[in-house]
Amino acid sequence: SQQGEEDPQALSIQEGENATMNCSYKTSINNLQWYRQNSGRGLVHLILIRSNEREKHSGRLRVTLDTSKKSSSLLITASRAADTASYFCATDAESTLTFGKGTMLLVSP
Amino acid sequence: GAGVSQTPSNKVTEKGKYVELRCDPISGHTALYWYRQSLGQGPEFLIYFQGTGAADDSGLPNDRFFAVRPEGSVSTLKIQRTERGDSAVYLCASSEGGNQETQYFGPGTRLLVL
Repeated sequence: SQQGEEDPQALSIQEGENATMNCSYKTSINNLQWYRQNSGRGLVHLILIRSNEREKHSGRLRVTLDTSKKSSSLLITASRAADTASYFCATDAESTLTFGKGTMLLVSP
Repeated sequence: GAGVSQTPSNKVTEKGKYVELRCDPISGHTALYWYRQSLGQGPEFLIYFQGTGAADDSGLPNDRFFAVRPEGSVSTLKIQRTERGDSAVYLCASSEGGNQETQYFGPGTRLLVL
């Protein structure tokens, strides 16, 4: 079963704009991670936020976590065409990661 | 340094055949994971090894699926009597410690069962 659900399913923006993706989950977690996937192959880890953290930054990425609402958001600022990919949130409520269905981001030049 | 590698990159087989998919984790990583990803879906957990033992195999869909990691490094996912529904990308990941660590993924093996 998939615990995380990303929203929106697809997002199309212009280069330079910001992209925001949301993730909701159902059970308590230890941490939440965001991954990126190009062309349906290997996933690349972007950022991990622990349950006692509320916000984390990494370069152009900003992740927030609201454990009371069981939700997280990923913000990509000043997007580039190279950011075009699928983005997944993953939670570790059970013994390993549970992924959502992902958000497909298209950044047009 | 070398990342997680998986072989083969692509595998086409016929319904009913046996297949083996191989994963070489990052050197020194004690934890290894197998996932399956169908088109338009996120990866679904299959099995998790800590060292040589399967710490959690609750994601294996049925007894046609089996995985081993005999020396605590390389792992092989084995699928018997393949079915068309087994077609998917099979992803392997490794991490330094347990499941709460960052997982590093391989490029996956795309399996097509005809």
